[in-house]
Amino acid sequence: QQQVKQSPQSLIVQKGGISIINCAYENTAFDYFPWYQQFPGKGPALLIAIRPDVSEKKEGRFTISFNKSAKQFSLHIMDSQPGDSATYFCAASKAPTGFQKLVFGTGTRLLVSP
Amino acid sequence: SQTIHQWPATLVQPVGSPLSLECTVEGTSNPNLYWYRQAAGRGLQLLFYSVGIGQISSEVPQNLSASRPQDRQFILSSKKLLLSDSGFYLCAWRGISKGSEKLFFGSGTQLSVL
Repeated sequence: QQQVKQSPQSLIVQKGGISIINCAYENTAFDYFPWYQQFPGKGPALLIAIRPDVSEKKEGRFTISFNKSAKQFSLHIMDSQPGDSATYFCAASKAPTGFQKLVFGTGTRLLVSP
Repeated sequence: SQTIHQWPATLVQPVGSPLSLECTVEGTSNPNLYWYRQAAGRGLQLLFYSVGIGQISSEVPQNLSASRPQDRQFILSSKKLLLSDSGFYLCAWRGISKGSEKLFFGSGTQLSVL
């Protein structure tokens, strides 16, 4: 059962442009929404995360926008760079099991062209 | 500092052969440990998680099993591999970094069942 839907599957952005990846969820019990970044041949690494008590979180060029009423959240990469080329996964988890059952989206392969 | 080791990096196995993937964590005690599988187009699928020695929770019915014989050791096994077991297997542990929970992933094992 796919509980977190992620789009697009792949994305090509020119250097300096804005990359936007979207995720949607159904379960209103989800209370933690991280984004992971994965380079080829490596394990994913946490990029940024948000909880539903805020609508936006920014860390450097990376911003999560969260819309609780629409049950959607998105990752924005400003001034995209070739080094940002990777696969990005959104995820969600819920109380009471919390972090134990982090559910991932299907991933978005981002290519930033020079 | 904490580190996670996963091996082998790549593995090619015939259908019907057994499987044993090992994961060990250093620098922490009583970690929560996870096995994920990454298949094309399906993102990261949680297979097993463990909160302590001998404690295994299975998330999906499948041809695989997991064991935790020691505090910092997590093993993924199969008695007879199927073609559908091919994928990228990731071990992870749950930790705290900069006040936030996160999964720390190993470098993964690319399993090809032929």
